[in-house]
Amino acid sequence: SYVLTQPPSVSVAPGKTARITCGENNIGIKSVHWYQQKPGQAPVLVIYYDNERPSGIPERFSGSNSGNTATLTISRVEAGDEADYYCQVWDSSSDHRLFGAGTKLTVL
Amino acid sequence: QVQLVQSGAEVKKPGASVKVSCKASGYTFTSYDINWVRQAPGQGLEWMGWVNPNSGSTVYAQKFQGRVTITGNTSTSTAYMELSSLRSDDTAVYYCARERGNYHYYMDVWGKGTTVTVSS
Repeated sequence: SYVLTQPPSVSVAPGKTARITCGENNIGIKSVHWYQQKPGQAPVLVIYYDNERPSGIPERFSGSNSGNTATLTISRVEAGDEADYYCQVWDSSSDHRLFGAGTKLTVL
Repeated sequence: QVQLVQSGAEVKKPGASVKVSCKASGYTFTSYDINWVRQAPGQGLEWMGWVNPNSGSTVYAQKFQGRVTITGNTSTSTAYMELSSLRSDDTAVYYCARERGNYHYYMDVWGKGTTVTVSS
């Protein structure tokens, strides 16, 4: 089972804003990272340290983290954004890395 | 450019072991930890463990303790993940990923994955 709670699916029309959540008790005190995975491909880091974008990731991708919920926001959604998205944190007590179960983003 | 190149697909029988390699290039191998993450068909990402190639230190997910061994060879800049006592539910794509961060670690470069099929 996964400690980090993500909705199984999110649907959005092209040009609109998609928000994908990642929930855990007091997740706001941790740093959350987000990965995009398209079918048949390896995951790609899209957000790290809650809201930092790696080079090459469009500004349309942003993140926030507060309280019990972290959120990945994709603005002006494009068909090419359709993918599975996973959140990930570091558990300091065990030195383990934890993933959410993933959210399938569908662009209508 | 920074790359992680993984070994090819494997087919194993139940009870056997598999060893997957991950060759790093484009950066100093000993400067970053390597994680292993697997993904069963139609399922999500599952973290297995990591290795510090410089010290050889490892941490494994509890689920794989006793069955997984992750190592690094600094002379060849290659990390390895060996999983023993294979079962059918170990059928998955296995990824290696470079890790960054000063605490609150994240994985910035991933290999393309190695498919391991366990079948009698």
